[in-house]
Amino acid sequence: DAMVIQNPRYQVTQFGKPVTLSCSQTLNHNVMYWYQQKSSQAPKLLFHYYDKDFNNEADTPDNFQSRRPNTSFCFLDIRSPGLGDAAMYLCATSRMAMGERRLFFGSGTQLSVL
Amino acid sequence: AQKITQTQPGMFVQEKEAVTLDCTYDTSDPSYGLFWYKQPSSGEMIFLIYQGSYDQQNATEGRYSLNFQKARKSANLVISASQLGDSAMYFCAATDKLIFGTGTRLQVFP
Repeated sequence: DAMVIQNPRYQVTQFGKPVTLSCSQTLNHNVMYWYQQKSSQAPKLLFHYYDKDFNNEADTPDNFQSRRPNTSFCFLDIRSPGLGDAAMYLCATSRMAMGERRLFFGSGTQLSVL
Repeated sequence: AQKITQTQPGMFVQEKEAVTLDCTYDTSDPSYGLFWYKQPSSGEMIFLIYQGSYDQQNATEGRYSLNFQKARKSANLVISASQLGDSAMYFCAATDKLIFGTGTRLQVFP
């Protein structure tokens, strides 16, 4: 089945140690998003790619970077994780066509920072 | 800027009863879409229903319906015949990038 896949499901990293979260999709959608969701809060958009165009939200910390090497894959890099970066990270895709605005989400990666 | 407001942090409903989850929105976009997602304790976001701002009729998807009142900028989710498996967080969201509300935790009891 076509889907959005996030790996790993759980990630543990050390304070200050760079970490990369991955997302892949078989939907051939042109837009990919990264959200951060802290406990008991709403998901917060970090950035998104429209094709190869990177769009950063104004309040996304510089510590967070992203790469999209091709249509199928997108990565979230946290250069120096702090304790406050512990959260669920959700990847989503959409086709961004007329009448098609639904986002398809992966299962998320739960990041712990020790 | 867009803003989504969900004023009910938590709701309780008895199994088989209907429940309404409130959502109001504020957007300057002339064309927009409104979504509801369900998030169980496992964490995945499950799409429930979509309403386009120009849709003439309220959206329905099985037991889910959206009470869309454009003049009042509200898009309330109605769940009919609640089931125990409906217990989850419910998020209202708007437009292309999906700006989310703060969510409502629904608990269905027997």
